Amino acid sequence: AQSVTQPDIHITVSEGASLELRCNYSYGATPYLFWYVQSPGQGLQLLLKYFSGDTLVQGIKGFEAEFKRSQSSFNLRKPSVHWSDAAEYFCAVGGAGRRALTFGSGTRLQVQP
Amino acid sequence: DTAVSQTPKYLVTQMGNDKSIKCEQNLGHDTMYWYKQDSKKFLKIMFSYNNKELIINETVPNRFSPKSPDKAHLNLHINSLELGDSAVYFCASSQDLTGRGNTIYFGEGSWLTVV
Repeated sequence: AQSVTQPDIHITVSEGASLELRCNYSYGATPYLFWYVQSPGQGLQLLLKYFSGDTLVQGIKGFEAEFKRSQSSFNLRKPSVHWSDAAEYFCAVGGAGRRALTFGSGTRLQVQP
Repeated sequence: DTAVSQTPKYLVTQMGNDKSIKCEQNLGHDTMYWYKQDSKKFLKIMFSYNNKELIINETVPNRFSPKSPDKAHLNLHINSLELGDSAVYFCASSQDLTGRGNTIYFGEGSWLTVV
C-alpha cells in the first residue's frame, strides 16, 4: 500500500527566509511524487511533480523539490519565502497501478513579516 | 475557463436531507474523482471513474452515490445527510488513472455543512 508522511503539521518562517517542507513516502516501486498547495478557501494547485529523470525538479512560484530514493523522501524547498506563500502544502504519491493519488496530512505554513 | 468546476461552492443543509454536488471538467480527461477533506485537512479518495466506469470505491457509506453521465461529468449524491458528512468535497480529474497521466487537477471544492 502506498502512503505519505508529512512530519511537520505547522511551520512558521520569517518572510525572506528559506523553507524546507518534509515528505516521506512508502511505495513498492518507482513512485510518482507531487506537491500541491491549498490557499485558504481554495482548491489544490499543483506546484511540481516528479516522474523520472533529474531528481531535482522545479515548480511554479520558485519552489523546487528533490527526490531521494535512498531516504524515500521528496522535500519541498524555496530559497526565500514570500508572505503570499502562507498556505497548506500537501505531498502526494502515485504510481503505475490503477490507484488514485495518496495524500499526506499536510503542512500548514505561516509566514511572519 | 475553469478546468474543473463544481457546484454549489457552499451548501448548508439539515440532517436527513438529500443533496447533490455537480462536477464538470473541460480538460478532455478520462478519469474523474471525488475526494473528501475533513476538518483536519486530511484528503481521502472516495470514488474514481474512468470513462464512466467506476474504478475506485473506497470504504464510503452507501448513502454516497456517484453518477457519471459522461466522462466530463461526475456528480455526487448524498442521501440522509448526517452531521459527520460536514466536510469539503473536491472533484478532480486526470488524463488517466495510471502512470504519467495521473496528475490530478482539482476543482475549488464544495463546503458542505450539515446542521
